[in-house]
Amino acid sequence: AQSVTQPDIHITVSEGASLELRCNYSYGATPYLFWYVQSPGQGLQLLLKYFSGDTLVQGIKGFEAEFKRSQSSFNLRKPSVHWSDAAEYFCAVGGTGGFKTIFGAGTRLFVKA
Amino acid sequence: KAGVTQTPRYLIKTRGQQVTLSCSPISGHRSVSWYQQTPGQGLQFLFEYFSETQRNKGNFPGRFSGRQFSNSRSEMNVSTLELGDSALYLCASSWDVGGEQYFGPGTRLTVT
Repeated sequence: AQSVTQPDIHITVSEGASLELRCNYSYGATPYLFWYVQSPGQGLQLLLKYFSGDTLVQGIKGFEAEFKRSQSSFNLRKPSVHWSDAAEYFCAVGGTGGFKTIFGAGTRLFVKA
Repeated sequence: KAGVTQTPRYLIKTRGQQVTLSCSPISGHRSVSWYQQTPGQGLQFLFEYFSETQRNKGNFPGRFSGRQFSNSRSEMNVSTLELGDSALYLCASSWDVGGEQYFGPGTRLTVT
Protein backbone atom coordinates (compact mmCIF):
# COMPACT_ATOMS: atom_id res chain seq x y z
CA ALA A 1 0.00 0.00 0.00
CA GLN A 2 1.09 3.52 -0.70
CA SER A 3 2.00 5.63 2.32
CA VAL A 4 4.10 8.56 3.45
CA THR A 5 5.47 8.96 6.97
CA GLN A 6 6.73 12.17 8.44
CA PRO A 7 7.94 11.11 11.88
CA ASP A 8 8.17 14.59 13.37
CA ILE A 9 4.89 16.40 14.05
CA HIS A 10 6.75 19.59 14.89
CA ILE A 11 10.33 20.79 15.01
CA THR A 12 11.87 23.91 16.53
CA VAL A 13 15.15 25.30 15.26
CA SER A 14 17.02 28.50 15.91
CA GLU A 15 17.31 31.05 13.15
CA GLY A 16 20.53 30.43 11.24
CA ALA A 17 20.70 26.76 12.23
CA SER A 18 20.49 23.92 9.76
CA LEU A 19 17.29 21.97 9.18
CA GLU A 20 16.42 18.44 8.17
CA LEU A 21 12.84 17.19 7.87
CA ARG A 22 12.38 13.47 7.50
CA CYS A 23 10.15 11.64 5.06
CA ASN A 24 9.77 7.92 4.37
CA TYR A 25 7.51 6.48 1.73
CA SER A 26 6.05 3.28 0.39
CA TYR A 27 4.86 3.19 -3.21
CA GLY A 28 3.96 0.34 -5.55
CA ALA A 29 5.37 1.87 -8.72
CA THR A 30 8.11 4.26 -9.79
CA PRO A 31 7.81 7.09 -7.26
CA TYR A 32 7.71 10.77 -7.91
CA LEU A 33 8.55 12.64 -4.72
CA PHE A 34 7.57 16.12 -3.65
CA TRP A 35 7.89 18.58 -0.80
CA TYR A 36 5.28 21.29 -0.28
CA VAL A 37 5.16 24.18 2.15
CA GLN A 38 2.06 25.78 3.59
CA SER A 39 2.15 29.13 5.32
CA PRO A 40 -0.72 29.97 7.69
CA GLY A 41 -4.02 30.40 5.87
CA GLN A 42 -2.47 29.66 2.50
CA GLY A 43 -2.59 26.88 -0.04
CA LEU A 44 0.33 24.52 -0.54
CA GLN A 45 3.33 25.63 -2.58
CA LEU A 46 5.62 23.17 -4.34
CA LEU A 47 9.16 23.43 -2.93
CA LEU A 48 10.86 20.76 -5.01
CA LYS A 49 10.32 17.52 -6.86
CA TYR A 50 12.16 14.35 -7.79
CA PHE A 51 11.23 12.34 -10.86
CA SER A 52 14.49 10.63 -11.84
CA GLY A 53 18.20 11.24 -12.32
CA ASP A 54 20.33 13.08 -9.79
CA THR A 55 19.19 12.04 -6.34
CA LEU A 56 19.96 15.46 -4.83
CA VAL A 57 17.42 17.99 -5.99
CA GLN A 58 17.38 21.72 -5.46
CA GLY A 59 14.23 23.68 -4.83
CA ILE A 60 13.05 27.17 -4.15
CA LYS A 61 13.94 29.23 -1.08
CA GLY A 62 17.29 27.46 -0.66
CA PHE A 63 15.83 24.03 0.11
CA GLU A 64 17.20 20.73 -1.17
CA ALA A 65 16.20 17.10 -0.76
CA GLU A 66 17.97 13.81 -1.24
CA PHE A 67 16.31 10.67 -2.56
CA LYS A 68 17.65 7.47 -1.04
CA ARG A 69 16.01 4.48 -2.68
CA SER A 70 17.58 1.94 -0.30
CA GLN A 71 16.05 3.75 2.68
CA SER A 72 12.81 4.78 0.94
CA SER A 73 13.50 8.30 2.15
CA PHE A 74 13.31 11.80 0.76
CA ASN A 75 14.54 14.16 3.48
CA LEU A 76 14.34 17.91 3.12
CA ARG A 77 17.29 20.09 4.15
CA LYS A 78 18.25 23.71 4.44
CA PRO A 79 21.67 24.87 5.64
CA SER A 80 20.49 28.05 7.37
CA VAL A 81 16.90 28.63 8.43
CA HIS A 82 15.26 32.05 8.26
CA TRP A 83 12.35 33.17 10.44
CA SER A 84 10.17 33.27 7.32
CA ASP A 85 10.62 29.51 6.90
CA ALA A 86 8.23 28.90 9.81
CA ALA A 87 5.40 26.96 8.19
CA GLU A 88 4.05 23.45 7.74
CA TYR A 89 5.89 21.13 5.40
CA PHE A 90 4.34 18.20 3.59
CA CYS A 91 6.10 15.34 1.87
CA ALA A 92 4.17 13.59 -0.92
CA VAL A 93 4.62 10.65 -3.26
CA GLY A 94 2.99 10.20 -6.64
CA GLY A 95 4.12 8.58 -9.83
CA THR A 96 3.21 6.22 -12.60
CA GLY A 97 0.48 3.63 -12.32
CA GLY A 98 -2.47 5.96 -11.98
CA PHE A 99 -2.32 5.99 -8.20
CA LYS A 100 -3.35 9.10 -6.34
CA THR A 101 -0.71 11.31 -4.79
CA ILE A 102 -0.24 10.50 -1.10
CA PHE A 103 0.60 13.22 1.40
CA GLY A 104 2.27 12.85 4.76
CA ALA A 105 0.70 14.28 7.89
CA GLY A 106 3.01 17.27 7.79
CA THR A 107 5.74 18.70 10.01
CA ARG A 108 5.25 22.10 11.56
CA LEU A 109 8.46 24.11 11.73
CA PHE A 110 8.94 26.73 14.42
CA VAL A 111 11.87 29.11 14.17
CA LYS A 112 13.15 30.82 17.29
CA ALA A 113 15.15 34.01 17.27
CA LYS B 1 0.37 31.76 -16.61
CA ALA B 2 -2.52 32.05 -14.18
CA GLY B 3 -2.52 29.77 -11.17
CA VAL B 4 -5.28 27.60 -9.78
CA THR B 5 -8.31 29.61 -8.76
CA GLN B 6 -11.02 28.59 -6.34
CA THR B 7 -14.35 30.22 -5.73
CA PRO B 8 -15.70 31.28 -3.38
CA ARG B 9 -12.85 31.90 -0.95
CA TYR B 10 -15.08 31.93 2.12
CA LEU B 11 -18.48 30.43 2.73
CA ILE B 12 -20.80 30.14 5.70
CA LYS B 13 -23.60 27.59 5.53
CA THR B 14 -26.14 26.09 7.89
CA ARG B 15 -26.40 22.43 8.81
CA GLY B 16 -28.50 20.53 6.30
CA GLN B 17 -27.79 22.85 3.40
CA GLN B 18 -25.72 21.93 0.40
CA VAL B 19 -22.74 23.71 -1.12
CA THR B 20 -20.88 23.75 -4.43
CA LEU B 21 -17.26 24.76 -4.68
CA SER B 22 -15.51 25.57 -7.93
CA CYS B 23 -11.94 25.13 -9.14
CA SER B 24 -10.29 26.35 -12.31
CA PRO B 25 -6.99 24.57 -13.00
CA ILE B 26 -3.88 25.92 -14.63
CA SER B 27 -4.31 26.10 -18.39
CA GLY B 28 -3.38 22.78 -19.99
CA HIS B 29 -3.68 20.75 -16.80
CA ARG B 30 -6.12 17.89 -17.15
CA SER B 31 -6.04 16.48 -13.63
CA VAL B 32 -7.82 18.09 -10.70
CA SER B 33 -7.71 16.80 -7.13
CA TRP B 34 -9.69 17.91 -4.10
CA TYR B 35 -8.57 17.79 -0.47
CA GLN B 36 -10.17 18.59 2.85
CA GLN B 37 -7.89 20.13 5.45
CA THR B 38 -8.76 20.40 9.14
CA PRO B 39 -6.53 21.00 12.17
CA GLY B 40 -7.26 17.57 13.61
CA GLN B 41 -7.18 15.42 10.49
CA GLY B 42 -4.60 17.13 8.32
CA LEU B 43 -4.86 16.87 4.54
CA GLN B 44 -7.49 14.34 3.49
CA PHE B 45 -7.87 13.29 -0.14
CA LEU B 46 -11.40 13.54 -1.53
CA PHE B 47 -11.17 12.64 -5.20
CA GLU B 48 -9.24 13.17 -8.40
CA TYR B 49 -10.52 13.75 -11.91
CA PHE B 50 -8.70 13.41 -15.20
CA SER B 51 -10.31 14.26 -18.52
CA GLU B 52 -13.78 14.31 -16.95
CA THR B 53 -13.38 10.86 -15.35
CA GLN B 54 -12.97 10.19 -11.66
CA ARG B 55 -9.69 8.31 -11.36
CA ASN B 56 -9.23 8.08 -7.61
CA LYS B 57 -11.50 8.47 -4.63
CA GLY B 58 -10.87 8.94 -0.93
CA ASN B 59 -12.82 7.61 2.04
CA PHE B 60 -15.57 10.17 2.30
CA PRO B 61 -19.32 9.55 2.48
CA GLY B 62 -21.50 9.83 -0.59
CA ARG B 63 -22.56 13.34 0.47
CA PHE B 64 -19.30 14.46 -1.13
CA SER B 65 -19.33 14.40 -4.89
CA GLY B 66 -17.51 16.04 -7.72
CA ARG B 67 -17.31 16.42 -11.44
CA GLN B 68 -15.03 17.78 -14.09
CA PHE B 69 -16.04 19.58 -17.22
CA SER B 70 -14.57 19.37 -20.70
CA ASN B 71 -12.51 22.52 -20.07
CA SER B 72 -10.98 20.77 -17.00
CA ARG B 73 -12.76 23.05 -14.54
CA SER B 74 -14.05 21.09 -11.59
CA GLU B 75 -16.74 21.40 -8.99
CA MET B 76 -17.30 19.58 -5.76
CA ASN B 77 -20.61 19.37 -3.98
CA VAL B 78 -21.40 18.57 -0.39
CA SER B 79 -25.02 17.82 0.43
CA THR B 80 -26.71 17.78 3.81
CA LEU B 81 -23.91 19.68 5.49
CA GLU B 82 -22.75 18.69 8.96
CA LEU B 83 -20.80 20.72 11.49
CA GLY B 84 -17.81 18.45 10.91
CA ASP B 85 -17.65 19.53 7.28
CA SER B 86 -16.20 22.86 8.37
CA ALA B 87 -12.75 22.90 6.81
CA LEU B 88 -10.44 24.38 4.24
CA TYR B 89 -11.12 22.72 0.87
CA LEU B 90 -8.13 22.74 -1.44
CA CYS B 91 -8.06 22.08 -5.12
CA ALA B 92 -4.89 21.09 -6.98
CA SER B 93 -4.21 20.69 -10.66
CA SER B 94 -1.53 18.75 -12.52
CA TRP B 95 -0.68 17.56 -16.01
CA ASP B 96 -1.37 13.97 -15.15
CA VAL B 97 -2.45 11.70 -12.31
CA GLY B 98 0.46 11.34 -9.89
CA GLY B 99 2.39 14.34 -11.16
CA GLU B 100 3.37 17.54 -9.41
CA GLN B 101 0.35 19.38 -8.13
CA TYR B 102 -0.30 23.09 -7.99
CA PHE B 103 -2.69 24.20 -5.31
CA GLY B 104 -5.27 26.92 -5.19
CA PRO B 105 -5.73 29.17 -2.13
CA GLY B 106 -8.65 27.08 -0.90
CA THR B 107 -12.24 27.68 0.09
CA ARG B 108 -12.86 28.12 3.81
CA LEU B 109 -16.23 26.53 4.59
CA THR B 110 -17.86 27.14 7.93
CA VAL B 111 -20.99 25.18 8.84
CA THR B 112 -23.11 26.56 11.68
